[in-house]
Parts: sequence; structure tokens; C-alpha cells
Amino acid sequence: QKEVEQNSGPLSVPEGAIASLNCTYSDRGSQSFFWYRQYSGKSPELIMSIYSNGDKEDGRFTAQLNKASQYVSLLIRDSQPSDSATYLCAVNSGGQNFVFGPGTRLSVLP
Amino acid sequence: EPEVTQTPSHQVTQMGQEVILRCVPISNHLYFYWYRQILGQKVEFLVSFYNNEISEKSEIFDDQFSVERPDGSNFTLKIRSTKLEDSAMYFCASSEAWGTGGPYGYTFGSGTRLTVV
Repeated sequence: QKEVEQNSGPLSVPEGAIASLNCTYSDRGSQSFFWYRQYSGKSPELIMSIYSNGDKEDGRFTAQLNKASQYVSLLIRDSQPSDSATYLCAVNSGGQNFVFGPGTRLSVLP
Repeated sequence: EPEVTQTPSHQVTQMGQEVILRCVPISNHLYFYWYRQILGQKVEFLVSFYNNEISEKSEIFDDQFSVERPDGSNFTLKIRSTKLEDSAMYFCASSEAWGTGGPYGYTFGSGTRLTVV
């Protein structure tokens, strides 16, 4: 059974701070990793994808991947109240589907 | 920005009834998917569809479920005889390609909330 784990939160950070979201996965053969944002009652929205070890930056977002540790993270710099949402880690292990984690609820306090 | 359109946004049905959930994927996308999310739980894969046939399905996607692309634009999920535990948000998604190094990110539709009573 392929598992993706995330701290459920809530993770509370003050406005302007860095939010750090973590994800671990069980399948060492996993190839592609995605972060989605989901507002309450809405559909997941793709934020970033990462395929190689290291960091990938896109605006205020940085994804970090460490395949040896089976760990992927998302950093959100200069957090805004509008970033308050549930962040879903999704992992692909070669098939045509993603395994999603349970999500981490982020609350950015004004 | 192109989007995946799902209808209806909310459907209430009686246990044992058939429901059809509809989706219009992004026009140049080739891969189509259905996922579901029971309230408060994980997003779960149901089925992927490519070249007019199912390419992968999960254990959840049993004989009660079927998918179809009846024309060039619509992609439907049918649940033959709904059960209480089918109550969930159902998301359609599409992607442009399935390239080497992994899939492209999906674009999800806004979802259909199915309530079975």
C-alpha cells in the first residue's frame, strides 16, 4: 500500500512569516511530486511540481525534494492570509494516478 | 485560463438510484480522470481514461462504476446503484500528456457534491 503522510495541522503562522509544510511517502520508486492547495469546499489547485532532488522555486513558493529520505516539502515565504488553505501533497509512482496525502491545514494570522 | 467544467455542482439522490456525473475536460487534453473526496478525508483516485478506454482503475472503482466519453467533449462517471457511502465530492481532472519523468499536473474541475440519502 503506497502511503503519503502529512501533518494534519493546523499550522498557524503570522502574516509575513515562512510556512513550512512537510510530506513523506512510502514508495521509494516514486517519480513525481506535486503540491496542491485546496480551499474549503473547493477543488485542488496545482501549485508546484518537482521531479529531481533539490529545490525548485516559483515566486513565493519553494518545493524541496529528498528522494533518499523520501521527503518533500513546500516553503511559502511572506505568507499572506489568502494562503490559508489545506495543502495537499500528491505523489506519482509511475502509474497514471496520484496518491494524495491527507493535507495540512495552514492558517496565516493577520 | 482553460478550465474543466463539471455538472451538476450538487446532486442529491436516493439510495439505489443511478447517477451520472458530467465533465467537460480541457479541449486539448488527452488524459481524463475521476477522483473522489469523502468529507474530511483524502482525495482518492478512481479511474483514468485515455484513447477511449480505461487505462487504470482503483479498488474503489468496482462494477457499480463506469465511465464514458459519449462524444468529443463530455466525460461521464456513472454510478449504477448508489450507496450511502458513495456520498462524496467527485472531481474530474484532465491532463495534457503523460510524459517521461512523470505526469503533468492535473487540472481539476470544481467538483460535484453527491449526497445519497
